[in-house]
Amino acid sequence: GQQVMQIPQYQHVQEGEDFTTYCNSSTTLSNIQWYKQRPGGHPVFLIQLVKSGEVKKQKRLTFQFGEAKKNSSLHITATQTTDVGTYFCAGPSSNTGKLIFGQGTTLQVKP
Amino acid sequence: GAVVSQHPSRVICKSGTSVKIECRSLDFQATTMFWYRQFPKQSLMLMATSNEGSKATYEQGVEKDKFLINHASLTLSTLTVTSAHPEDSSFYICSASPSSGGAFTDTQYFGPGTRLTVL
Repeated sequence: GQQVMQIPQYQHVQEGEDFTTYCNSSTTLSNIQWYKQRPGGHPVFLIQLVKSGEVKKQKRLTFQFGEAKKNSSLHITATQTTDVGTYFCAGPSSNTGKLIFGQGTTLQVKP
Repeated sequence: GAVVSQHPSRVICKSGTSVKIECRSLDFQATTMFWYRQFPKQSLMLMATSNEGSKATYEQGVEKDKFLINHASLTLSTLTVTSAHPEDSSFYICSASPSSGGAFTDTQYFGPGTRLTVL
């Protein structure tokens, strides 16, 4: 079946370093959504990308949607301790439209 | 922004009892709500789609008699874990979309989740 995969699973960085998580789908996506879940919290919507090759920025966060609409990335510049959490990408199934979540990338930031 | 609440946030119960979890959309109406389950350090797994005025749609492998869903109004869906057992212990999260279509492709707003522990 359709899969959405994320790498890496875990990432430990020193505060101030950059961080990138990658999301790959086995099929073309109509859109990709990114969520952040803080430890002990619930997923919070960050952004949705729809267009091929789209790039969106939110302060230190840069989101990209691949030209083929099968992959996406989230890049954080100069990480801060507030960036700690698990970042999930999610895309709708081509068959059912249901959101399929990636496994998530857990970011730890050392102060 | 769209706000979804869940109650209770935490519940501890004895094996064999039933637990009801409420999910409410506070500032919008949602004809469709979704229920997810999340095990520690794992991703979200869709359990079922709650449809206002009709039966819920369950994902493969999810027992509908075990996890009863009632979508009583356009702002409330409930999940009842019946005859709970320790293996049902998990983090249950609901979500909803403010758009009228309630399509999965729309942005999902998640409730704060309910942590269930079955002793």
